Amino acid sequence: GAVVSQHPSWVICKSGTSVKIECRSLDFQATTMFWYRQFPKQSLMLMATSNEGSKATYEQGVEKDKFLINHASLTLSTLTVTSAHPEDSSFYICSARGRLAGVSFGEQYFGPGTRLTVT
Amino acid sequence: EDQVTQSPEALRLQEGESSSLNCSYTVSGLRGLFWYRQDPGKGPEFLFTLYSAGEEKEKERLKATLTKKESFLHITAPKPEDSATYLCAVQPTWNFNKFYFGSGTKLNVKP
Repeated sequence: GAVVSQHPSWVICKSGTSVKIECRSLDFQATTMFWYRQFPKQSLMLMATSNEGSKATYEQGVEKDKFLINHASLTLSTLTVTSAHPEDSSFYICSARGRLAGVSFGEQYFGPGTRLTVT
Repeated sequence: EDQVTQSPEALRLQEGESSSLNCSYTVSGLRGLFWYRQDPGKGPEFLFTLYSAGEEKEKERLKATLTKKESFLHITAPKPEDSATYLCAVQPTWNFNKFYFGSGTKLNVKP
């Protein structure tokens, strides 16, 4: 149980274009979803937290107009990187916590990540 | 200030050589402490949740313990496939959606 998927697993785009990354909880209701960014050999950097049906809460220093997050349902959240530039190249990982069979749990379950390369 | 510190940063073990990873934390009220394993190029994989001092959890060669100031991840007779980065995170009581992650311990188990 508690499986999170991400799509795509990797993407290459040209500078100035936008890219959308999907995060899905496959077997539980994701009441809260998190988006992280990870640079090589570094730990996770939280970008934003979103509750289903609410606006995302962004961490300090993360541009909300550049990283658009939508959490429209209990199983899907999307991250759109708008007008991407080479410095946005990174490994993006989503995670979710919520309810499984009606029971809430505290731990986050992570997706497999999306490698974004902006050329 | 709430924070998490993991040590050592890196650990090299011979296959079968048991050891422990440390996660020290300061938080104004602990709701939960979590251990994850992350392989290169993948998302972290959930291992354990610990809620109160004295609690222990086991899974195969891994055992996690918790005190009021720190948690240990004990690895007994490790195998090369245990090589990964191990992350711990704490969740404070004052915000269920706040998680403080440590920087991780990179474990390398040589055959």
